[in-house]
Formats: sequence, C-alpha cells, structure tokens
Amino acid sequence: EVEMTQSPAILSVSPGERATLSCRASQSVSSKLAWYQQKPGQSPRLLIYDASTRATYIPAKFSGSGAGTEFTLTISSLQSEDFAIYYCQQYNNWPRTFGQGTKVEVK
Amino acid sequence: EVQVVDSGGGLVQPGGSLRLSCAASGFTFSDFWMSWVRQAPGKGPEWVANIKPDGSEKFYVDSVKGRFTISRDNAKNSLYLQMNSLRAEDTAVYYCVRGGMRFDPWGQGTLVIVSS
Repeated sequence: EVEMTQSPAILSVSPGERATLSCRASQSVSSKLAWYQQKPGQSPRLLIYDASTRATYIPAKFSGSGAGTEFTLTISSLQSEDFAIYYCQQYNNWPRTFGQGTKVEVK
Repeated sequence: EVQVVDSGGGLVQPGGSLRLSCAASGFTFSDFWMSWVRQAPGKGPEWVANIKPDGSEKFYVDSVKGRFTISRDNAKNSLYLQMNSLRAEDTAVYYCVRGGMRFDPWGQGTLVIVSS
C-alpha cells in the first residue's frame, strides 16, 4: 500500500497570502495524484488531478505540481472560502490511498 | 448537473448488515467506474471499493474483503454497497463517488454507526 504523508498538519495563513501544501508518497505514483478540498460539514471536492490539471470550474488560484513522490498544492491569495482541509490522493496503485490532510486556518 | 445522491446509512449493531444505495444523474452512468469512499470521524477519506462500468470487475480494500459487496444496476443508474458482519471500525460517513481513479463528484454522504 502506498502511504501518503501530508505536511504540515496545520498551516496558519493570513488572508491574501499564499499557501503551499506538501504531499509525499512512500513510492512513486508517477503523476497519478489528486487534491481535494473539504469544508466543515461538506463532502470533499476535486481540485486537481494528474498532479497539475485543474478540475472543472476550479479557479486558477489553485495550482499543483510534482511527480514521482513529491507533490505540492499552491493556493495564491487566500480568501475566506479557501480555509478548509486539503487532502492528496494517489491513484497509480491499489488500493487508492489518501493523505491525512492539511488544515489551512486563518492566522 | 452531474450528481450522485447516497442513502441507506443508520445505526446497526456489531455483526449486523446494512445496504447503501446511490442514485446517479446528469451523466451516462454506464460509462463510468463508480466507487465508495468512507471517512471516519476526524480522519482522512479511505477508499473502500469500486466497480467497472459493466460490473465485470470489482476491487476492495483489504479490511472489507469478504464482508462488503459493491454492485450496480445500470438500467436504474444506481450503485449499491452491501455491508455484512459490520464492526465498530466501519463507523464512518460513506460517500458514493464517480470514478475509479480520481473521484468527482462526491455524494453528500450517509452516516453508518456500528454500535451496541
């Protein structure tokens, strides 16, 4: 099983600043990586797939990069609606596995 | 609008059974892999099972193999998860999701509580 490790667990950011989230896979997952956003009381929402492709209707402020075992999600100019938990997920191997999440909170 | 709506959760005793359902709309259901993903309280999501578009192949996470069965009815645009021999550690919100690799969209979730 591919273990996905996200860091940091909590990221404190001021509104208007940029957030950089990391995700590491225990073995190469090529570019088969997705990022999701989950707000309190809501279902996760797909943001990024194939490591760097934005999903439908996702604004350009969200960008993904990386390949192999190291991945990054960058959120530029954080607004109130962006404070949430973000998860990475690999789909190169079975079983599909998720990270434990990074909570982006207001500084 | 592409949408999946899951239902069927509830409180069940350890060792009991429950059947979850998912109604899909807004897309050609029979063209897509479908999955169930669960999320225990305060935890990250965990993929549980998925099924090929024609239902011919199914995959499960090890912890549910032999206890859970995923199925689909393409004529009814519906996905199911039969859960038997439920354990306390199966307690979670269960989501129906479109896809077998990346998951989009997610249902609103249905809560399963396994407790005596």
